Amino acid sequence: DADVTQTPRNRITKTGKRIMLECSQTKGHDRMYWYRQDPGLGLRLIYYSFDVKDINKGEISDGYSVSRQAQAKFSLSLESAIPNQTALYFCATSDLQLGSVTDTQYFGPGTRLTVL
Amino acid sequence: AQKITQTQPGMFVQEKEAVTLDCTYDTSDPSYGLFWYKQPSSGEMIFLIYQGSYDQQNATEGRYSLNFQKARKSANLVISASQLGDSAMYFCAMRELTFYNQGGKLIFGQGTELSVKP
Repeated sequence: DADVTQTPRNRITKTGKRIMLECSQTKGHDRMYWYRQDPGLGLRLIYYSFDVKDINKGEISDGYSVSRQAQAKFSLSLESAIPNQTALYFCATSDLQLGSVTDTQYFGPGTRLTVL
Repeated sequence: AQKITQTQPGMFVQEKEAVTLDCTYDTSDPSYGLFWYKQPSSGEMIFLIYQGSYDQQNATEGRYSLNFQKARKSANLVISASQLGDSAMYFCAMRELTFYNQGGKLIFGQGTELSVKP
C-alpha cells in the first residue's frame, strides 16, 4: 500500500461549491504539506502542519483552509471553489529534524481538481 | 528573482545514452538542501536524489547522480543509460535552513520535460 494517499484522485465541481481533499499517511511523519501545481509554475505551498496543533499558511493560502485531524490525516478545503483553483493538488509528508535541511518530502499521488 | 531556474523546458535523449538536466539556484543561506523529483505522465511526484550544501561528495542513487558545483550554484541531474521509462517531467527543488519555521518549504523550479527515444 502507498505511504501517502489522497482522495479523491479526480474531482470536477462547479463554482461556489465546497470541496474537501483528504490526505492520509502511514509513514509516521509529523509534518504534512499541501501544494498546488499549475502548468509551467511548478509546485507552490498552500498550508503546512508541524503537528496536530500547529498549522501554518504557505505562500498561496487565500481561498483555502485545512484541518489536521490526526497525525496521519491532513485535509484541504475550498470553501467556495472558483475556476482559477483548477489545478493538481499534492499532499506531502516529511520527518524534519529541527535545524536540519536533510528532510525529504514524500508526495501523494495528487488530486486533479477542475472547477467549472 | 527566481530561486530555482531550470532553463531547459524540454529535452530529448536516445535510449541508453546519458543526459544532464540543468538546475541553478539562488540563495544567500549557507545551509540548504537540493532535491530532484520525477513526475511521470501519471502525475505522481517521485523523490530521486538529495544533495546537502555541506556535502563534500556529489550524491548518487543508482543511475542518478547530482553534479553539484557550489561556487556556480548549480545542481545538475545526470541520468546514465537512459531508459524509456525515464520519460517524464523533472523538477529541481531547494530547501533553505532559514525557512525551517515555514515547515521546510520546498521551492520548485518550473521543470524539464525529458523524452527518451527508442
